[in-house]
Amino acid sequence: AQTVTQSQPEMSVQEAETVTLSCTYDTSESNYYLFWYKQPPSRQMILVIRQEAYKQQNATENRFSVNFQKAAKSFSLKISDSQLGDTAMYFCAFMGQGAQKLVFGQGTRLTINP
Amino acid sequence: DTGVSQNPRHKITKRGQNVTFRCDPISEHNRLYWYRQTLGQGPEFLTYFQNEAQLEKSRLLSDRFSAERPKGSFSTLEIQRTEQGDSAMYLCASSTRDPNYGYTFGSGTRLTVV
Repeated sequence: AQTVTQSQPEMSVQEAETVTLSCTYDTSESNYYLFWYKQPPSRQMILVIRQEAYKQQNATENRFSVNFQKAAKSFSLKISDSQLGDTAMYFCAFMGQGAQKLVFGQGTRLTINP
Repeated sequence: DTGVSQNPRHKITKRGQNVTFRCDPISEHNRLYWYRQTLGQGPEFLTYFQNEAQLEKSRLLSDRFSAERPKGSFSTLEIQRTEQGDSAMYLCASSTRDPNYGYTFGSGTRLTVV
């Protein structure tokens, strides 16, 4: 079974700083999909960024980018120029090629301080 | 279409009572998922539907839990004889036939069993 591990339960940075959230996963599949989701306090979970494992190029969405290291099974999220609105729980998630469900990590609580 | 809608937002019930939650997915999405999230943890998969067919159930879904999706539209999740350990956030999500592009989540139903 696939597992997703987020080793940083909490992180805190100052506004405008860059922060990197770590995620590792375990799978025997060669083709799969990785996601980062954001869950603001008392609000719904929203998709931040998505990476297809067969694409070597790291995904980027505005201030959000990933560092995907397939051999190391690592998928970190970098948030540049952090904003107060980035304060949230961040979840890394995995979906196998033939699977139909997301497997989530334990989450990282990120606080952006003014 | 305003996204995935879940009702109620909060439910407090006494131990031993039955509860039912409702999820209305995005109308174009034929896949619907239920997850459970306890405090400080990532969402755990419970079950998913493609149209009206329930295609997979987690071992977490004991015989006290039942989910339906009549006519492939909204879905209900019922918990019978609730226990304190059932206290959690119950999340619903939907996706197109290709879930590799990620899910759209609802705001969740927070269940407290007293």
